Amino acid sequence: NAGVMQNPRHLVRRRGQEARLRCSPMKGHSHVYWYRQLPEEGLKFMVYLQKENIIDESGMPKERFSAEFPKEGPSILRIQQVVRGDSAAYFCASSLGVHQGLGIGTEAFFGQGTRLTVV
Amino acid sequence: DAKTTQPTSMDCAEGRAANLPCNHSTISGNEYVYWYRQIHSQGPQYIIHGLKNNETNEMASLIITEDRKSSTLILPHATLRDTAVYYCIVYTGANSKLTFGKGITLSVRP
Repeated sequence: NAGVMQNPRHLVRRRGQEARLRCSPMKGHSHVYWYRQLPEEGLKFMVYLQKENIIDESGMPKERFSAEFPKEGPSILRIQQVVRGDSAAYFCASSLGVHQGLGIGTEAFFGQGTRLTVV
Repeated sequence: DAKTTQPTSMDCAEGRAANLPCNHSTISGNEYVYWYRQIHSQGPQYIIHGLKNNETNEMASLIITEDRKSSTLILPHATLRDTAVYYCIVYTGANSKLTFGKGITLSVRP
């Protein structure tokens, strides 16, 4: 049972280009979360998606950033017109969902991240 | 906003138990206590979670006080590979997200 897979592991983009980060959740998981970690800083929540739906995007910058989790295929975090300040590690996590009362299936498992460098 | 407070750092001798405290005095009845760790910029790793009973798995034990206002993560025999930032998080699991605070940096010394 493979874990959460993120690719690419490292991505270099020039200012103004687009960055596409992919996340394949664990088998059977329908909930996906994206986090960003700037150098020497903590993990900041960006967006929470269930299949084809955005549940919470309160941490997403208002411009240039978008996320999707289509019915088929991986979740994609897209950053348009990247700037140097977008350089960070981007982590994706997935979970089965919610089982009220016992917390079973609510554990989120993280991928190894994509390190984005904007030059 | 993180609803937990943890010391900034602590150290532990290799082979000894590491006891990591966490305060969550405003925890709600439907919130669980989760622990994750991040080893040197790798992806965060799930450790354990609990509601009100003590829990144990192959990685650690979680002791939750009877009033649920604090908890302790116990690594029974710390190794150098346990050096990491440990995050204590309260979380309903119900259509919500994990919010990470600053965590506690555990340094295991030889």
